[in-house]
Amino acid sequence: EPEVTQTPSHQVTQMGQEVILRCVPISNHLYFYWYRQILGQKVEFLVSFYNNEISEKSEIFDDQFSVERPDGSNFTLKIRSTKLEDSAMYFCASSEAAGQPYEQYFGPGTRLTVT
Amino acid sequence: AQSVAQPEDQVNVAEGNPLTVKCTYSVSGNPYLFWYVQYPNRGLQFLLKYITGDNLVKGSYGFEAEFNKSQTSFHLKKPSALVSDSALYFCAVRDIYSGAGSYQLTFGKGTKLSVIP
Repeated sequence: EPEVTQTPSHQVTQMGQEVILRCVPISNHLYFYWYRQILGQKVEFLVSFYNNEISEKSEIFDDQFSVERPDGSNFTLKIRSTKLEDSAMYFCASSEAAGQPYEQYFGPGTRLTVT
Repeated sequence: AQSVAQPEDQVNVAEGNPLTVKCTYSVSGNPYLFWYVQYPNRGLQFLLKYITGDNLVKGSYGFEAEFNKSQTSFHLKKPSALVSDSALYFCAVRDIYSGAGSYQLTFGKGTKLSVIP
């Protein structure tokens, strides 16, 4: 069964450093998403991406964040200058389409620790 | 704005007994509702969804969920729990009137299910 994959599984970085989290969505999916979960809190939506542009973003997704689909398979989330409060589990997801209520398939997550 | 509440942080049930994990939601229009399960060190796995039609939805691994519009609930159920069902369960909602280009899911905080042998 196709899966969403994410690398690395755990990333430790120092405050102020840039990090790039990588995701490989399911190959025939067209919509891509990033969510995050701060320890003990809810899973929160960050951004959705379709046709090489952001289709929606939340208040969390400020100018420090960016997303990119650099080639036909990868989908990345960049945090330009990390803060302590960016420490969280980051989940990538993809769906076949979005107009219909297609379910989103999630990757295993990247645990980001900012020190 | 849409929101989801999972009132129980943890549910304990004996193996073989029926289980229920509760979820209530709030949307301005009609909801699309989802249940996901997360096993340790794994991503969120889709279990089932309610879009329209029959209020009882059947999903993977013998789980089902009942949509109740008057109570704005979408409780997850299974007639006979297995030890392997022990995991973290998330309810999620999307408002069908959330606007063009808005497909974000809003999640509950999650409920930890422990099935005791």
